Amino acid sequence: AQRVTQPEKLLSVFKGAPVELKCNYSYSGSPELFWYVQYSRQRLQLLLRHISRESIKGFTADLNKGETSFHLKKPFAQEEDSAMYYCALSPFSGQNFVFGPGTRLSVLP
Amino acid sequence: DSGVTQTPKHLITATGQRVTLRCSPRSGDLSVYWYQQSLDQGLQFLIQYYNGEERAKGNILERFSAQQFPDLHSELNLSSLELGDSALYFCASSVGGTGSDQPQHFGDGTRLSIL
Repeated sequence: AQRVTQPEKLLSVFKGAPVELKCNYSYSGSPELFWYVQYSRQRLQLLLRHISRESIKGFTADLNKGETSFHLKKPFAQEEDSAMYYCALSPFSGQNFVFGPGTRLSVLP
Repeated sequence: DSGVTQTPKHLITATGQRVTLRCSPRSGDLSVYWYQQSLDQGLQFLIQYYNGEERAKGNILERFSAQQFPDLHSELNLSSLELGDSALYFCASSVGGTGSDQPQHFGDGTRLSIL
């Protein structure tokens, strides 16, 4: 069965420091992977998807099939990046999305 | 604005009661997903409908049911409510239903409080 893990429940970094939010998945095929972000008291929003290979708000994520990882990175964190981040997996087989447990990023001034 | 509309925004009720949450998907989206978000459980997938039919089922209790109507809006019915059902219930929609390779667009959620 597919599964998404995010080992860190909480990650605190200082403003301007690099940040990496870890995501590992287990799936036998080639899934599509997403990062969603939820700012305080707001809805979940799609941040990026691996298939589009784009950079949103300075964040990038690279799919590493060998390590089955899809870590989210930003070279210089900003205070407004403080939010809950969810990694999600979508298999192409018609099964439902699987979300990871989420990592709360706190960027300190 | 994601285009996904959920009503009501807040709902306060008592144990044993029944409530209905409503979701209108983005225009053109055929799939609707329901999620429960609580502090201790994180984001839990409940159920997905695609073009009126149930497509996938997650951790949905038997006391809960959902349906998607011909106009594609969806309702989530929660009955015999318990204190532990207090949570934020999100609806999301996507264009596709097969392959699930479309990103989901989320509504603002309905905050359910059981007293």
